[in-house]
Amino acid sequence: GDSVTQMEGPVTLSEEAFLTINCTYTATGYPSLFWYVQYPGEGLQLLLKATKADDKGSNKGFEATYRKETTSFHLEKGSVQVSDSAVYFCALSDRYAGNMLTFGGGTRLMVKP
Amino acid sequence: GAGVSQSPSNKVTEKGKDVELRCDPISGHTALYWYRQSLGQGLEFLIYFQGNSAPDKSGLPSDRFSAERTGGSVSTLTIQRTQQEDSAVYLCASSLNRQENSPLHFGNGTRLTVT
Repeated sequence: GDSVTQMEGPVTLSEEAFLTINCTYTATGYPSLFWYVQYPGEGLQLLLKATKADDKGSNKGFEATYRKETTSFHLEKGSVQVSDSAVYFCALSDRYAGNMLTFGGGTRLMVKP
Repeated sequence: GAGVSQSPSNKVTEKGKDVELRCDPISGHTALYWYRQSLGQGLEFLIYFQGNSAPDKSGLPSDRFSAERTGGSVSTLTIQRTQQEDSAVYLCASSLNRQENSPLHFGNGTRLTVT
């Protein structure tokens, strides 16, 4: 079945550092890929998505490129802020599974001033 | 507009008791999903509804779990004879339809603690 694997946290960075959170997936079909973010005390929010190979999703300075050849969707940001501290979830949606999201385990990011 | 609303936000119950968790989706959203987020683990899919129908119940952890949706709107997740391993945050999400480009909107969850 479909699965998503992302790097374990916590990831601790200083403000303005470069961020990479790795995500790889296994899917039988041609999934859409997502990054969701959960800020402290809040619900999950969609951060960005990509629906086909080589698409780049971007939002709030975060980017991720759908790499079919490496089955990856790594999240990057050039300069993190304290307000980016949250838990980040990589997920996929297989069109053959009716928009059901399969999530990775989540990666907690802590940004220190 | 109003987002997905879940109640209660926190629930503490004794082992063996039944609990009901409620989800009010965004108005007009036909698809509704339940997930469970356990401490130190990712999000586990439980069940989804298209309208009032739940085509796939295989994600429910045991027969103590059940869910229903009425009027294509409110959904209730019921856990009977709760066990300590049921302690988790239960998340509800809705989307306009089941198409993959229809984003899921999540509620803030219900934190269930079984003592």
